[in-house]
Amino acid sequence: SQQGEEDPQALSIQEGENATMNCSYKTSINNLQWYRQNSGRGLVHLILIRSNEREKHSGRLRVTLDTSKKSSSLLITASRAADTASYFCATQAGTGGSEKLVFGKGTKLTVNP
Amino acid sequence: GAVVSQHPSWVICKSGTSVKIECRSLDFQATTMFWYRQFPKQSLMLMATSNEGSKATYEQGVEKDKFLINHASLTLSTLTVTSAHPEDSSFYICSARDPGRLAAEQYFGPGTRLTVT
Repeated sequence: SQQGEEDPQALSIQEGENATMNCSYKTSINNLQWYRQNSGRGLVHLILIRSNEREKHSGRLRVTLDTSKKSSSLLITASRAADTASYFCATQAGTGGSEKLVFGKGTKLTVNP
Repeated sequence: GAVVSQHPSWVICKSGTSVKIECRSLDFQATTMFWYRQFPKQSLMLMATSNEGSKATYEQGVEKDKFLINHASLTLSTLTVTSAHPEDSSFYICSARDPGRLAAEQYFGPGTRLTVT
């Protein structure tokens, strides 16, 4: 069953603006991951944040995690047209290497040039 | 590194036939691979976890006799959609984790679009 719920479902912004996407989940997790998917393609891993972390940065990406609220946010700063894609959060509950990911519904981001 | 490939990238088949999709880890060995399906404009739904040398673990509601999974080697898992019907048309994606890396991230294949006519 799906656990993550992204918000908003769709987001349209102008190039140069920041984009913020939110994700909520229901059960305890070991880590939360964000993935990007270009239309009709596979997923690309963006960033992973562990349950004992509160914030993480990678380039123009900033992820926060609030385990008390069971929520996470992904911020893309200074967006570019090439950032246009769908973004999914995925939670992983266990620590084993074979632990499955549970994906949210995704946010479709459109960055207009 | 950590590249996962899928073959074919798209396939069209007639109702009632079977289709095999391959998922390969190109530069690492994967004891575990995952198979997902994705309907248009929707999220990924995990179908099954493929374990090398043993039976796959299917998610609730996924018919194991219809979606046959074989993980015969550490670099190859196959998904066979048997007696395909139009409702099986979907985007099928596999993923694998590189056990040689500490991170828990998964590497995804490019997906296979199946259309059943």
